[in-house]
Amino acid sequence: NAGVTQTPKFRILKIGQSMTLQCTQDMNHNYMYWYRQDPGMGLKLIYYSVGAGITDKGEVPNGYNVSRSTTEDFPLRLELAAPSQTSVYFCASSRQGANTGELFFGEGSRLTVL
Amino acid sequence: GESVGLHLPTLSVQEGDNSIINCAYSNSASDYFIWYKQESGKGPQFIIDIRSNMDKRQGQRVTVLLNKTVKHLSLQIAATQPGDSAVYFCAETFGGSYIPTFGRGTSLIVHP
Repeated sequence: NAGVTQTPKFRILKIGQSMTLQCTQDMNHNYMYWYRQDPGMGLKLIYYSVGAGITDKGEVPNGYNVSRSTTEDFPLRLELAAPSQTSVYFCASSRQGANTGELFFGEGSRLTVL
Repeated sequence: GESVGLHLPTLSVQEGDNSIINCAYSNSASDYFIWYKQESGKGPQFIIDIRSNMDKRQGQRVTVLLNKTVKHLSLQIAATQPGDSAVYFCAETFGGSYIPTFGRGTSLIVHP
């Protein structure tokens, strides 16, 4: 199993450009998450989804959008990139209903906005 | 020693020593806690978890202690190895949501 796969690994954007960070998981997990991690800081939740067709805002949703049309995929959209969105983005998934809250993370996508 | 400032708190130890990483959590209603390890350039990986009805749980070379009175969590790593060098995060959830809130992290540096 590949687990959680994120693409791209690195991207440089100009201010005002748009892009989508892709995330897919092959573990049939119902919960999926997007976090951002700034230098020297913990992970801040952007959006999460409890199943296909259901998404909800996390702690820092402004400037981002998500969709969850399938169990496997949970893309994160940046519409008008700003320097404040320079960060490392992590997608994660988990299986709710299991006796554990363990999240499985992707390798991260490093985004720079200039 | 341990230092706190603009950078991540850092704990430096010698190989073979025992390490203790501390975490003060924020929500007194939190009922489930997880420790994650993040190696440089990678995503966080699960180490061990503990529920609020326990005060201690042991894994392989790791022990988590929970003190709900002072909202404090600690991760003890026995016989620390260079491969343990990483950033360690505690995460908390409450209400059975399993949607974790992460702490800031502690950088563990193990010197051979």
